Amino acid sequence: EAQVTQNPRYLITVTGKKLTVTCSQNMNHEYMSWYRQDPGLGLRQIYYSMNVEVTDKGDVPEGYKVSRKEKRNFPLILESPSPNQTSLYFCASSLLAGVSYNEQFFGPGTRLTVL
Amino acid sequence: AQSVTQPDIHITVSEGASLELRCNYSYGATPYLFWYVQSPGQGLQLLLKYFSGDTLVQGIKGFEAEFKRSQSSFNLRKPSVHWSDAAEYFCAVGGGGYQKVTFGTGTKLQVIP
Repeated sequence: EAQVTQNPRYLITVTGKKLTVTCSQNMNHEYMSWYRQDPGLGLRQIYYSMNVEVTDKGDVPEGYKVSRKEKRNFPLILESPSPNQTSLYFCASSLLAGVSYNEQFFGPGTRLTVL
Repeated sequence: AQSVTQPDIHITVSEGASLELRCNYSYGATPYLFWYVQSPGQGLQLLLKYFSGDTLVQGIKGFEAEFKRSQSSFNLRKPSVHWSDAAEYFCAVGGGGYQKVTFGTGTKLQVIP
């Protein structure tokens, strides 16, 4: 089954404790992206990657890091989480050719709470 | 820069009634337009998309949307809503410089018996 998986689905942590949210897709997609969803703000792009070892900032990259060492995986790293990073996070993937008009496939989301 | 406005934060409709969710976009050229649905506890799923051609687009689950260039709108419609349609709906526009897709703030749909 074609899918995007994220782990963990729920996470409660404390300020400053490094964490990683994993994302994996089995569709051989070149393009992967991380979004955060906050009430009243919709989805905002954090980082995206157009292929292995190619990543770039989205609209709200501060406080986040990513890496793309393998085509299928795109982990999101919070080196020193703060309460304002409490949010619902989504990973998505799509074919690279025509990212702006191709369907994005979304993971189930990770709800992060930073105390 | 491209942008999307969904003016309705919440909408409540009765089961069996018709539905229209509004979406207005801003983009200099012909946009690529999408509607996604997010059911409770799940990720987003594509309902339909518009690139060019026929301005009335059919999607999954009985939804349709109409592209109106003169009004910069891409409203989502369904003639008869089912209780399972309760979800949050996102309009999105694509076509930016690095092939960016911009999402609206979402409209939460409540369906009452």
